[in-house]
Amino acid sequence: DAKTTQPNSMESNEEEPVHLPCNHSTISGTDYIHWYRQLPSQGPEYVIHGLTSNVNNRMASLAIAEDRKSSTLILHHATLRDAAVYYCILTENNDMRFGAGTRLTVKP
Amino acid sequence: KAGVTQTPRYLIKTRGQQVTLSCSPISGHRSVSWYQQTPGQGLQFLFEYFSETQRNKGNFPGRFSGRQFSNSRSEMNVSTLELGDSALYLCASSLLYREILNAGELFFGEGSRLTVL
Repeated sequence: DAKTTQPNSMESNEEEPVHLPCNHSTISGTDYIHWYRQLPSQGPEYVIHGLTSNVNNRMASLAIAEDRKSSTLILHHATLRDAAVYYCILTENNDMRFGAGTRLTVKP
Repeated sequence: KAGVTQTPRYLIKTRGQQVTLSCSPISGHRSVSWYQQTPGQGLQFLFEYFSETQRNKGNFPGRFSGRQFSNSRSEMNVSTLELGDSALYLCASSLLYREILNAGELFFGEGSRLTVL
């Protein structure tokens, strides 16, 4: 069973920021938080990951709550190409379980 | 550099047949993982190979098997196909195996879409 909870779908307007939430209340101290996205007809693509501190890269930012029971993926300026299913995943050792993810729709 | 390559991209089989799918990882990557993606179950982990050894295995029946060659290329085989095996089979590669790669990145191929009639 997936250890994360995400909304089924979200909508955003182009060029606006998007905040994708993820709840992981049973996270353990050694679980990393990973985000992947899957564009239509493609395999999943790595977005970002973190353990305790907030993280930034060229694609997105990851904000991790102080108690680590939730996190938020932030796309600063959504584009049409960001329309995808976004997966929040906890990893510990060999276990990397994808949940249902959040389907992000970006409107022009 | 070239990404993860999966072949064939599409195939159709009938119940009872067997199928072999191939995955060529990114050059230098030694770990290959396989996932099954269906609309109902989402992405489910099948198994992971590193240096020709199966490191981890998901909760799938023995009809699903795999192997990895010395050049890190991997194949997965499904025997006695059932209708429920219709899915997108995804391969992912990484430099190291997941037990020591918690902070690492998986690189996925585009998948092999299997339809069982």
